[in-house]
Amino acid sequence: DAGVTQSPTHLIKTRGQHVTLRCSPISGHKSVSWYQQVLGQGPQFIFQYYEKEERGRGNFPDRFSARQFPNYSSELNVNALLLGDSALYLCASSDGWGSGVYEQYFGPGTRLTVT
Amino acid sequence: AQRVTQPEKLLSVFKGAPVELKCNYSYSGSPELFWYVQYSRQRLQLLLRHISRESIKGFTADLNKGETSFHLKKPFAQEEDSAMYYCALSGSRETSGSRLTFGEGTQLTVNP
Repeated sequence: DAGVTQSPTHLIKTRGQHVTLRCSPISGHKSVSWYQQVLGQGPQFIFQYYEKEERGRGNFPDRFSARQFPNYSSELNVNALLLGDSALYLCASSDGWGSGVYEQYFGPGTRLTVT
Repeated sequence: AQRVTQPEKLLSVFKGAPVELKCNYSYSGSPELFWYVQYSRQRLQLLLRHISRESIKGFTADLNKGETSFHLKKPFAQEEDSAMYYCALSGSRETSGSRLTFGEGTQLTVNP
């Protein structure tokens, strides 16, 4: 298994545009979480999905949305991009939800630059 | 609200010296604490968690509920320990599911 995979690796967008980031979890994992990591800071929680249902949402505006598909892959969508959305977006998968017992495995991230 | 504080952004030690990376947390219930590590050009990975009480790569961390701390320690640092270390907290299922709250990280450099 290649682990958690994310696409694209990098992308550059202009203010006001929309972006879609994709994540494929480890085979057998049913939970996917998204984190935003601004340069020089730790990752910040955005969303968690388990069994295709949203199980948690961080303190992010409604411009951020996500969904999980029947194959447990996930998309993160960001509308009306702002310069401050420039960051590394991390996806993590785990085989359960609701407890730290379930280790979260992180992908390599998608580097988003908004100009 | 849950918060994790890592007071040192940068920490530099010599090979063979003891190392301690500090982590303090704020959480009203019983948290689960973790240390994650990111080596150069690698993805973020779990180093250890307090519930398993294990030693990984010579690192240990003890949860001190009285001081709300979860410091990471290693008696003899190695050059390959150089990396970014993040302390993270997970709250109860009812209040926060299994979301992780991360500190800002400490960049550890072990000099030869």
